[in-house]
Formats: sequence, C-alpha cells, structure tokens
Amino acid sequence: GAVVSQHPSWVICKSGTSVKIECRSLDFQATTMFWYRQFPKQSLMLMATSNEGSKATYEQGVEKDKFLINHASLTLSTLTVTSAHPEDSSFYICSASGLAGDPITYEQYFGPGTRLTVT
Amino acid sequence: GQNIDQPTEMTATEGAIVQINCTYQTSGFNGLFWYQQHAGEAPTFLSYNVLDGLEEKGRFSSFLSRSKGYSYLLLKELQMKDSASYLCAPDTGGFKTIFGAGTRLFVKA
Repeated sequence: GAVVSQHPSWVICKSGTSVKIECRSLDFQATTMFWYRQFPKQSLMLMATSNEGSKATYEQGVEKDKFLINHASLTLSTLTVTSAHPEDSSFYICSASGLAGDPITYEQYFGPGTRLTVT
Repeated sequence: GQNIDQPTEMTATEGAIVQINCTYQTSGFNGLFWYQQHAGEAPTFLSYNVLDGLEEKGRFSSFLSRSKGYSYLLLKELQMKDSASYLCAPDTGGFKTIFGAGTRLFVKA
C-alpha cells in the first residue's frame, strides 16, 4: 500500500520559535496533500489542502500567515508553524491522496503524525 | 452545511458483534470512508462505500444508504486490539473528505 512518512514524529519548542514539519509520499506521487490538526479526544480538523505547485487552500479560521504550507513536489509538502505558542500544541497529521482504483476513490493515506509541544 | 453524527463511545465484549452508526449531511457526496484510529496514531483505512448496500471485508463490514444519509460499520468477533476510535468520513468530492468526531470503542474481556 501507499506509504506516507512524516518528520519529525515529535518536537518540543519554545514559545515564539518556528517549527517545520515534513510530509513525504514514499512510493507514489500524491496529487493532493492535506494537513490536519487533532486535539486530544477530538476529531481531525482539516487545516489546509495543497496541490503541488500551487498555493494551499486554507479552511476557515486557519491563519495562513501562521501555518505556512509549501508543496514543492508531488512527494513533499511542508507545514511551518511560525511563532508557535502553547495553544498550538497539538497532533499534526498529513495525508496524501491521488486517484486510485475502480471506482475512483480519493482515499487518503495518512502519515504517522507529529506531536508538537510548545513550552 | 456539513454535519456528521456518530456515537461518542461504545463498549462491547471480546468475541461479540458491534455496530457503529453514522448519519451525515454534506453539500456533495461521492462515497463514505471508515477509518480506524488508535490513540496517538494516525488513522488507517478500513472501507469505502460508493453504492448502497453492505460490503464485507473479513471481520469488518460497512453499509451505506445514500438516500438516508446513513452508514454503519459492523465489527464481528471483536478482539481487544479493536479498541480504537472509528471515524466516519464522507467523501464530498474534489479530494475533500470530512471527518466525524469518531466513536471510541472499548472492548472488554
């Protein structure tokens, strides 16, 4: 099956610093990549959708200047949390999607997630 | 608007059968995903229903009624490792899948 990696798996940073999280599709070219945030015992909340070579589409309420997304290739997307604050502490999960199968599905393949703690 | 309803928690006994229901209202609809998520881990794919009816895959089956906006996930011969959250996720089209809050299933011995 399709494999998506995410790096780092966990990170602790000080308030005011920036953190970059990488998401890579290892064995397929992802048409679209998604970034989610998940707080404890809550559902996945979509932050943004990105297609290779174009600007990301952010969900309502997500600050695009704070959460910078770069989708430089069909196998790599990065999320940078700028000027992180304790309330940004969360589990960040990326997923990659492409047309697959018959009928065509938009199945998302999830990375293992990155646990961010801002102190 | 978009709305997904599924029970918050369920408890079942090892070896039993459990059905997790989901109702949804979305602005577009191509099909419905079910994902399993263990605590602290990313979701993993279980099923995708496009047509009405029941699709069986080993111990897990998923049902869809498009006209009723209703789906369920059926887990048979429950095992302790099935303790996890189960996410109902309508595919609303254009690579946009939205996720319900999930149902936390506790399997007890």
